[in-house]
Amino acid sequence: GQSLEQPSEVTAVEGAIVQINCTYQTSGFYGLSWYQQHDGGAPTFLSYNALDGLEETGRFSSFLSRSDSYGYLLLQELQMKDSASYFCAVRESDYGQNFVFGPGTRLSVLP
Amino acid sequence: EAQVTQNPRYLITVTGKKLTVTCSQNMNHEYMSWYRQDPGLGLRQIYYSMNVEVTDKGDVPEGYKVSRKEKRNFPLILESPSPNQTSLYFCASSLTSGTTYEQYFGPGTRLTVT
Repeated sequence: GQSLEQPSEVTAVEGAIVQINCTYQTSGFYGLSWYQQHDGGAPTFLSYNALDGLEETGRFSSFLSRSDSYGYLLLQELQMKDSASYFCAVRESDYGQNFVFGPGTRLSVLP
Repeated sequence: EAQVTQNPRYLITVTGKKLTVTCSQNMNHEYMSWYRQDPGLGLRQIYYSMNVEVTDKGDVPEGYKVSRKEKRNFPLILESPSPNQTSLYFCASSLTSGTTYEQYFGPGTRLTVT
């Protein structure tokens, strides 16, 4: 079977740093993506990790450890606009772009 | 503007009445996919297409059909909708080459089947 686990909710204050974890058990693994979704909106791409280590893009960073079947999204200098749901997604097959998505983590940023 | 469009955005229908949700992208992407989103379950893939006339099942294909006759369009067909197909549907597209496999999502279609 396939399963991805994420915390259902995370709360933090403006200016803080928050880490959203994702653990996975899938039949195959070729990479881990992160998407952001605001209420009423469509998911938008944040990052993709195929190899172990940290990828940094502005205030957001994503980490992958394939040996631990684990990754995280790190959001720094939190802003109110970061309040959204965040989904991790595993690319299971080397054929195509089929991704299995996690259940999502709802991040609330408080003033 | 590069985008994925879906129509309709909202639809209320009755059990058994055939419907089609259209999806179109203007980015010349080879790959297109349909997802449904339900609370607490994330996004689950229904069908995907690697290119024109090439489609395959995702994780939850039962009760759905798709076709890919043109590169830009990927309609989702519900031949006989049932209440358990009430959901938020997203179409997505991406290139088949590249390093990030970034998917571009449409705005979503909220379907209610009574």
